Amino acid sequence: AQKITQTQPGMFVQEKEAVTLDCTYDTSDQSYGLFWYKQPSSGEMIFLIYQGSYDEQNATEGRYSLNFQKARKSANLVISASQLGDSAMYFCAMREGLGGGYQKVTFGTGTKLQVIP
Amino acid sequence: ETGVTQSPTHLIKTRGQQVTLRCSSQSGHNTVSWYQQALGQGPQFIFQYYREEENGRGNFPPRFSGLQFPNYSSELNVNALELDDSALYLCASSPSGGNTGELFFGEGSRLTVL
Repeated sequence: AQKITQTQPGMFVQEKEAVTLDCTYDTSDQSYGLFWYKQPSSGEMIFLIYQGSYDEQNATEGRYSLNFQKARKSANLVISASQLGDSAMYFCAMREGLGGGYQKVTFGTGTKLQVIP
Repeated sequence: ETGVTQSPTHLIKTRGQQVTLRCSSQSGHNTVSWYQQALGQGPQFIFQYYREEENGRGNFPPRFSGLQFPNYSSELNVNALELDDSALYLCASSPSGGNTGELFFGEGSRLTVL
């Protein structure tokens, strides 16, 4: 069975500073996808970044980067130059297989990030 | 391009009642899945629909059921509501054969069971 662990229930970061949100995962699959989603208080889950298990380079999307360490089974999210609008819940997630139609995604318990002015 | 929309946004039911939640998938997306997110938890996979058939299910009892219509919209039905069914119910869609399998979520339906 797949499992996602996020050990930081809450984090504070000063505006304009960088922050790392931790995520470890457990799976026996060789092919999988890793995601980070942001959930503001409105409830909508917003896709941030994706890393496939065979991708050799760390994924980057604007201010977001995913620090993928396959041997350690970790997929930490780094947010550079934090903004007040980054305050939200952040979820690490994993999907069996790569691409295609099966959508079962396993989510962690989330990290609440608060950006301080 | 219209995103995923869900209705109703909020609703209150009592134990034992039945509820139907609705979801319109993003344009061009033919796969829809439903997730339950209890307070303070991450979303949990309920089931997925593709071409109007359920083709994947999480650890939820049969009183959670669904439908997908020819226009790819979907319904989630929950019978015999229990207090623990109180949660945010999220609908997600994606195109089949997508490169990353990224899910596009709606804003959810918040169900309170009294």
